[in-house]
Amino acid sequence: QKEVEQDPGPLSVPEGAIVSLNCTYSNSAFQYFMWYRQYSRKGPELLMYTYSSGNKEDGRFTAQVDKSSKYISLFIRDSQPSDSATYLCAMSVGNTDKLIFGTGTRLQVFP
Amino acid sequence: GAGVSQTPSNKVTEKGKYVELRCDPISGHTALYWYRQSLGQGPEFLIYFQGTGAADDSGLPNDRFFAVRPEGSVSTLKIQRTERGDSAVYLCASSLAGRRETQYFGPGTRLLVL
Repeated sequence: QKEVEQDPGPLSVPEGAIVSLNCTYSNSAFQYFMWYRQYSRKGPELLMYTYSSGNKEDGRFTAQVDKSSKYISLFIRDSQPSDSATYLCAMSVGNTDKLIFGTGTRLQVFP
Repeated sequence: GAGVSQTPSNKVTEKGKYVELRCDPISGHTALYWYRQSLGQGPEFLIYFQGTGAADDSGLPNDRFFAVRPEGSVSTLKIQRTERGDSAVYLCASSLAGRRETQYFGPGTRLLVL
């Protein structure tokens, strides 16, 4: 079993829809939880990071962490075609500096 | 503003050859990371530098892989005796010291070993 599980999709939604992207994890030592967006043939772009359980909002994006369930989510409101990309969750391990990534979910927003 | 840059953007080599991949981090970022991303997978950690020293090299797959950062800025990832299984995108990221939660990635180097 992988430490971080993420549904690879693809997830296809119409423009304006609310998108929910999720990851589950097994390691209780994970500290920080990040979401990255990766366009085709580009490097990952940091969207948001959270530390504790709860919600964090930034514009159309909301990150949610539930440490008791070992479950994190990214919500995208009013999705746009420009949001079409692969979304990667990532987690830091305890006091180390390396990140453990999910496999990524491919999102397609059609007009 | 200058982000993380990586050169070359693409590298094609033959099995058994030696390759060097270069990373130039964001100015002022003392932490530098190398990851490897295979098709359809998330990035996989290779090595982390704080300043000039490798603070964590636990992700290097074997002794054919080596990385240096002699002056605490630019880093070079070196792969000896390349194998076809080394084909992947090699990503570099940088952050401020102690800010593991804000790692900024470069565009990557696509390595193809024939």
